[in-house]
Amino acid sequence: QKEVEQDPGPLSVPEGAIVSLNCTYSNSAFQYFMWYRQYSRKGPELLMYTYSSGNKEDGRFTAQVDKSSKYISLFIRDSQPSDSATYLCAMSSYSSASKIIFGSGTRLSIRP
Amino acid sequence: EPEVTQTPSHQVTQMGQEVILRCVPISNHLYFYWYRQILGQKVEFLVSFYNNEISEKSEIFDDQFSVERPDGSNFTLKIRSTKLEDSAMYFCASRAFDSSGRENEQFFGPGTRLTVL
Repeated sequence: QKEVEQDPGPLSVPEGAIVSLNCTYSNSAFQYFMWYRQYSRKGPELLMYTYSSGNKEDGRFTAQVDKSSKYISLFIRDSQPSDSATYLCAMSSYSSASKIIFGSGTRLSIRP
Repeated sequence: EPEVTQTPSHQVTQMGQEVILRCVPISNHLYFYWYRQILGQKVEFLVSFYNNEISEKSEIFDDQFSVERPDGSNFTLKIRSTKLEDSAMYFCASRAFDSSGRENEQFFGPGTRLTVL
């Protein structure tokens, strides 16, 4: 079983729709959960950062973590064409190194 | 807003040549990382660096790779003898450590695209 699994898509939705992206993971030691956005041939840009279980909201973005199910989600409300990008889930355990393990990314396209 | 910078943006080299990829992390950050992303694949951890030494490295980070913080601002990744399979985007990242609970946020640079011919 892969450490982090993410549906690669592509996912195409109309402008204004609610987008739901998710990942599952197998390592119980993960405590930090992140979502990065990556445009083509650019570096990952941190969108959301969550510690342990729960919800976190930032503008149109909501991140949810369910550690009991080993499942994390990112919701995008009122999606815009500028949200079109690849979304990477990422996670790490508590350690001095704190290396990040990434999902494979979901390619999202918002149709005007 | 402070950001991680990387140079060059694109490096082309011949197989067997040495390359050095350069990064300037965010100034008050203490932890530094290199990741790579082969075209069409996921971002993979290579190495982490703290207090002037490697704290963790992946299986990818073999004897051909080395990292260095030669001065107070730069962080470099050296590949001694490049192979075709080293062609990838290389990302530098850094993170702070503070008491606010946000100590695990890593900020990534724009990447260096390495092409080995």
